[in-house]
Amino acid sequence: GAGVSQSPSNKVTEKGKDVELRCDPISGHTALYWYRQSLGQGLEFLIYFQGNSAPDKSGLPSDRFSAERTGGSVSTLTIQRTQQEDSAVYLCASSFLGFRGGELQETQYFGPGTRLLVL
Amino acid sequence: RKEVEQDPGPFNVPEGATVAFNCTYSNSASQSFFWYRQDCRKEPKLLMSVYSSGNEDGRFTAQLNRASQYISLLIRDSKLSDSATYLCVVNDAGNMLTFGGGTRLMVKP
Repeated sequence: GAGVSQSPSNKVTEKGKDVELRCDPISGHTALYWYRQSLGQGLEFLIYFQGNSAPDKSGLPSDRFSAERTGGSVSTLTIQRTQQEDSAVYLCASSFLGFRGGELQETQYFGPGTRLLVL
Repeated sequence: RKEVEQDPGPFNVPEGATVAFNCTYSNSASQSFFWYRQDCRKEPKLLMSVYSSGNEDGRFTAQLNRASQYISLLIRDSKLSDSATYLCVVNDAGNMLTFGGGTRLMVKP
């Protein structure tokens, strides 16, 4: 079946420009997460949505970063006035809450990511 | 102190070996636990959930020790294709996933 999709897959931009990254979650998944992964680093949590609201924005690294989700589906992550340190892979994941092995668990499925390079 | 800690490795093992990774977490209220696998320059993929009673999926066995707050992953009969980074993931009571830094496994012929 269709998984999480992200676009663009690669983005090269100049320092100071704005970029918009898109995530299409798996249909029916209510929660959506954004992470970023810098070269050779672990995953850094940015923000998550439950429906259209974002109860936890604590991971956004600066006020240049913002995200929204509409219709409980597609989400966009916007980075304004990009800096070179913003270069990373931006990963989106959607999740469902269900019973697995007799336990209630939330399981996240990741998109392929957007590789952002800021020159 | 990191919330989820893993030995970054790399663990270099020969084909056919058994290898085990541990992961410790600091939030005693954590509720769900997972192992993800991440290949180089790819997104993480769910390998297996970790249940309270422990669980096995083929050559992979995951165990949870709530009292000591650690999770383990055992891989038997390692294959070359098992070479990857294994991420320990914990879902806290606030419904947010926290990722460990990953343990890199390299299986050699």
